[in-house]
Amino acid sequence: KAGVTQTPRYLIKTRGQQVTLSCSPISGHRSVSWYQQTPGQGLQFLFEYFSETQRNKGNFPGRFSGRQFSNSRSEMNVSTLELGDSALYLCASSRNRAGELFFGEGSRLTVL
Amino acid sequence: KNEVEQSPQNLTAQEGEFITINCSYSVGISALHWLQQHPGGGIVSLFMLSSGKKKHGRLIATINIQEKHSSLHITASHPRDSAVYICAVPLYQGAQKLVFGQGTRLTINP
Repeated sequence: KAGVTQTPRYLIKTRGQQVTLSCSPISGHRSVSWYQQTPGQGLQFLFEYFSETQRNKGNFPGRFSGRQFSNSRSEMNVSTLELGDSALYLCASSRNRAGELFFGEGSRLTVL
Repeated sequence: KNEVEQSPQNLTAQEGEFITINCSYSVGISALHWLQQHPGGGIVSLFMLSSGKKKHGRLIATINIQEKHSSLHITASHPRDSAVYICAVPLYQGAQKLVFGQGTRLTINP
């Protein structure tokens, strides 16, 4: 059974650019959540999607957005990148909103 | 004060020792997650528990809902157990909006 797949794994952008990250959940999982991990702030919740609807959003500016498709795949977008957006972005999927989480390997974003 | 606090923040032990990591939280929850993160970033879910005790191999997790406290124990620790252990608490019942502890960095020396 394939795990959670995140692409790209590594990327480098410059300030002001935008980035789109993709997350393919485990087959049959309908819940996808996104998290940001930085050395200073640790792990922080970004979004939760279930059945193509955003159910919860973390305390991040409007530059951070996301969506979920009918096949449960999810994307998140960060516009007008800032240096502080450099982080490991992790997504996790679960069968339902209260289920065990399965994490992807993450997308490591560096903003120069 | 953080909503989810772990102790200790760093722990170094010798192979074979019994390890305990603690997590105290102030937010209401329906379940608590214990996660393991190895160098390089990948996170693995070890336990999700809402009451009592769970065991998987050499790992044991307990939770006391009334005291808002959970512990992760590792018996017969091994160098491959070296990792960061993170507890996380859902802010709302039936949701994945998690609040994370700061993590406990565990190093097991041979």
